[in-house]
Amino acid sequence: SAVISQKPSRDICQRGTSLTIQCQVDSQVTMMFWYRQQPGQSLTLIATANQGSEATYESGFVIDKFPISRPNLTFSTLTVSNMSPEDSSIYLCSVARTSGDANTGELFFGEGSRLTVL
Amino acid sequence: TQLLEQSPQFLSIQEGENLTVYCNSSSVFSSLQWYRQEPGEGPVLLVTVVTGGEVKKLKRLTFQFGDARKDSSLHITAAQPGDTGLYLCAGRNTGGFKTIFGAGTRLFVKA
Repeated sequence: SAVISQKPSRDICQRGTSLTIQCQVDSQVTMMFWYRQQPGQSLTLIATANQGSEATYESGFVIDKFPISRPNLTFSTLTVSNMSPEDSSIYLCSVARTSGDANTGELFFGEGSRLTVL
Repeated sequence: TQLLEQSPQFLSIQEGENLTVYCNSSSVFSSLQWYRQEPGEGPVLLVTVVTGGEVKKLKRLTFQFGDARKDSSLHITAAQPGDTGLYLCAGRNTGGFKTIFGAGTRLFVKA
């Protein structure tokens, strides 16, 4: 299993500001994902963080609002830009467990970053 | 777009009772996973089911994958307060690498 550390674990931010969330994995991983979990809700995939290329965003999420970096196989950042109260959520970094070269579909998650926007 | 529908969304029961959570889709999944999430934590994988009709047991938890690989169920026997949490079913989209999640079932077991 992979150990995933996220920072910050929680933050309270002012409307209009930006916050960058960091995700560090204890081993090299190919597939890394960012999810959002709104209060009382399930998980929604924001994007796949690709090493060495631009992230792949899901419908409803754009790079200008959620820029993502993936400088190497153990680290990624997600920035929530120009925040509004609607961005108040838990943001989760996850990595896929692989068996050889195959993606099993199983995910390991960080503890999440709880963001409150006032 | 592949979707996973989970029911019930909320369940409050007494300690010792049994319960079943359902996860349904109109699409075929190569595998389905069940996760449990506690407050302040990320989801933790409980089990993966791969073969149609497969049944897996994890202590008091029994997981089943439908014959057509479109649905799954989680049955908990003699629930305990420690079972309280958010239970999520998830599946990898066919031919892809993304995992999608059901809406989740929030379980509360009263002592």
